[in-house]
Amino acid sequence: AQSVSQHNHHVILSEAASLELGCNYSYGGTVNLFWYVQYPGQHLQLLLKYFSGDPLVKGIKGFEAEFIKSKFSFNLRKPSVQWSDTAEYFCVFSGNTGKLIFGQGTTLQVKP
Amino acid sequence: EAQVTQNPRYLITVTGKKLTVTCSQNMNHEYMSWYRQDPGLGLRQIYYSMNVEVTDKGDVPEGYKVSRKEKRNFPLILESPSPNQTSLYFCASSLALLAGSNEQFFGPGTRLTVL
Repeated sequence: AQSVSQHNHHVILSEAASLELGCNYSYGGTVNLFWYVQYPGQHLQLLLKYFSGDPLVKGIKGFEAEFIKSKFSFNLRKPSVQWSDTAEYFCVFSGNTGKLIFGQGTTLQVKP
Repeated sequence: EAQVTQNPRYLITVTGKKLTVTCSQNMNHEYMSWYRQDPGLGLRQIYYSMNVEVTDKGDVPEGYKVSRKEKRNFPLILESPSPNQTSLYFCASSLALLAGSNEQFFGPGTRLTVL
């Protein structure tokens, strides 16, 4: 069955620390991958997406993610987090069914 | 402004009392969907619609109904709500979902409590 797994459920960082959130999916075919962010009390917004081409994709607010096909991974990174990055982050995957499958989410808390 | 709206934003109700959560989008999107968000489970799809008069079950459709009579509206109906339907609900829309390649636009969410 197609699935996506986020390794970290709750991450606490200090401002200026580097961030990497892990995401792995299970599917051997062509995939579309997304990272969505949900700020406290708000709706989900798209951070970045990968469909094809350059495996390193850049999104909004200084976020980037790297698609590594051999590892079935799409980890999210940011070199220096800010307090305003406190939010819940969802890795989302779509395989051949077109259906979107959400990871469990990672709550990021950035201490000022 | 392009947006997805949901009403109500907050609702407390009692077991068995029918309710409807409305969802409307102004982007002329074909695809609309309902999700519920529960702690530790991420978002799970309840129902989706590829276009007017076309709806289909998602992962957790039990206890819910939907309709798509107009392109812009996709209401979620709970005929007889139960406490296990207490959750945060999101409506989303996108251009026709071809291989999941389109960005989903999410509504602000409806927090439902069933007592």
